[in-house]
Amino acid sequence: GAVVSQHPSRVICKSGTSVKIECRSLDFQATTMFWYRQFPKQSLMLMATSNEGSKATYEQGVEKDKFLINHASLTLSTLTVTSAHPEDSSFYICSAKLTTAPNTEAFFGQGTRLTVV
Amino acid sequence: LAKTTQPISMDSYEGQEVNITCSHNNIATNDYITWYQQFPSQGPRFIIQGYKTKVTNEVASLFIPADRKSSTLSLPRVSLSDTAVYYCLVGAVNQAGTALIFGKGTTLSVSS
Repeated sequence: GAVVSQHPSRVICKSGTSVKIECRSLDFQATTMFWYRQFPKQSLMLMATSNEGSKATYEQGVEKDKFLINHASLTLSTLTVTSAHPEDSSFYICSAKLTTAPNTEAFFGQGTRLTVV
Repeated sequence: LAKTTQPISMDSYEGQEVNITCSHNNIATNDYITWYQQFPSQGPRFIIQGYKTKVTNEVASLFIPADRKSSTLSLPRVSLSDTAVYYCLVGAVNQAGTALIFGKGTTLSVSS
């Protein structure tokens, strides 16, 4: 199957700083990528849809100024957590599909564990 | 968005067959049933997808009755490495119809 890679796999940052997480589709082009966050023992929560060359679409309740998404190329989307606070500590996962049609398989990155101290 | 109900957790022993049932009474005509597996600290991984009857691949089987109001993921002869969370997704997409929306999932624990 297609490969989606995230970097870094884990990061620790100080409160108030910003952290950038990269998501790459290694062997296919992804005009659309998706960002999720997952708290311990909870399910994945969709944060936003990242669209190549245009603005991201955020889910209700997700602060767009807090979670900056950039999708500058067909193989790279980045999520920047700005002015991070301890409550932003979570597992962030990106995903991409070969097509945006419903019922098509989604490929997920390995996730990024963010710890804000 | 069809609401799905699956057990919160299941326990099994190595070598046993595990069946996880998912209820989806409001499944739409064009909805497929898809299962994902997630290991701790990893992203989910696609296991299997079906529309009706039975689908089998190298990992699992998916049984879907004629009314499609439920489905059963069958894992033959599980091993310790099958310990994971299993998500049943039915028509589970966001408003744009592009991103998957995950429910609670079933935590499967396999013991020796």
